Amino acid sequence: KNQVEQSPQSLIILEGKNCTLQCNYTVSPFSNLRWYKQDTGRGPVSLTIMTFSENTKSNGRYTATLDADTKQSSLHITASQLSDSASYICVDNQAGTALIFGKGTTLSVSS
Amino acid sequence: DTAVSQTPKYLVTQMGNDKSIKCEQNLGHDTMYWYKQDSKKFLKIMFSYNNKELIINETVPNRFSPKSPDKAHLNLHINSLELGDSAVYFCASSHRSGTLDEQFFGPGTRLTVL
Repeated sequence: KNQVEQSPQSLIILEGKNCTLQCNYTVSPFSNLRWYKQDTGRGPVSLTIMTFSENTKSNGRYTATLDADTKQSSLHITASQLSDSASYICVDNQAGTALIFGKGTTLSVSS
Repeated sequence: DTAVSQTPKYLVTQMGNDKSIKCEQNLGHDTMYWYKQDSKKFLKIMFSYNNKELIINETVPNRFSPKSPDKAHLNLHINSLELGDSAVYFCASSHRSGTLDEQFFGPGTRLTVL
């Protein structure tokens, strides 16, 4: 079982709609949790980095939340745009070790 | 003025060959990384260098050898390529190796071993 599980695996929404992506992580101690956006054929780009003491962090239309008690995080995308079509990857950064990547949620925004 | 660049973008080669992938960052970062993204889309760390010194070496076959001539470059040399080496390889860099430092990724190199 992967240490970072994401759901749904894929999602299709209409342009302008909101959506929420989920991430469950299992490993602790926990240092920080990150969300990345990866466009097809490109490298991942950081959206948010949250420490375990933070509950929410926003980056434009992207808002990440974190519940360290339940080891869950979510990424909420508001007023989706066609350019939001990408893979969104949740990443657990344990203290002193490398990043652990989830498999990602593939989001398709259609007009 | 690309921040993290990799060459080549695509690499197709025969099994058993030796190949290299180059990475350069112009961000002035001290730490550089190599990741492998397989067909299932998982990204896994392979190596990490801080100021030209190896700090992370995950379970990677010794056919893979990173080389850092200076802190702006981290090249990946692969000997005796195997079919299972086919993947997308990403280079990344960060200011430090600290846990809160943002990592900037290159565009990736798609390696296909025939």
